[in-house]
Amino acid sequence: KQEVTQIPAALSVPEGENLVLNCSFTDSAIYNLQWFRQDPGKGLTSLLLIQSSQREQTSGRLNASLDKSSGRSTLYIAASQPGDSATYLCAVKDSWGKLQFGAGTQVVVTP
Amino acid sequence: ETGVTQSPTHLIKTRGQQVTLRCSSQSGHNTVSWYQQALGQGPQFIFQYYREEENGRGNFPPRFSGLQFPNYSSELNVNALELDDSALYLCASSSDSPNAQETQYFGPGTRLLVL
Repeated sequence: KQEVTQIPAALSVPEGENLVLNCSFTDSAIYNLQWFRQDPGKGLTSLLLIQSSQREQTSGRLNASLDKSSGRSTLYIAASQPGDSATYLCAVKDSWGKLQFGAGTQVVVTP
Repeated sequence: ETGVTQSPTHLIKTRGQQVTLRCSSQSGHNTVSWYQQALGQGPQFIFQYYREEENGRGNFPPRFSGLQFPNYSSELNVNALELDDSALYLCASSSDSPNAQETQYFGPGTRLLVL
């Protein structure tokens, strides 16, 4: 059974510092891995999707890496801003198209 | 192109009642998935519909049921509500087959409170 873990559960950094968020999964048979952002009480916004054959994806200040063999992904956010404060969720997609989520990392960026 | 929409945004019910939540897929998407997100947790997969057929189900009892309509909009029905059903219910749509490596686009969710 696939299990997805995100560490740390919460993170507080001063503005301008780089953020490093970790995601690990137990079953490497995934179709893709996706990082989402969730603001309080809101739905999910897709940030980056990494196909199973890829090693990383980049969008602006965001970079995500994927190491299937070790069951790990890392989301890097460069030069953090207060607007980056949110909960970040990673999810792996299985062969049925189902997303299995981690519990998320709650990020606070202080001015 | 419109995004995924859900209704209602908030709902309060009492134990034992029944509830229907609605989702309109993003234009051109034929796959809809429903998720339950309890406070402080990641979303949990309930089930998925592809071209009006259920295509995968998570670890939820039969009192959670769904429908997908020809226009690919969808409903989630929950019977005999329990206190633990209080959660944010999210639907997500994607295009092509369920196994395609496609991004799922999420709606804003319906917040259900069971008293």
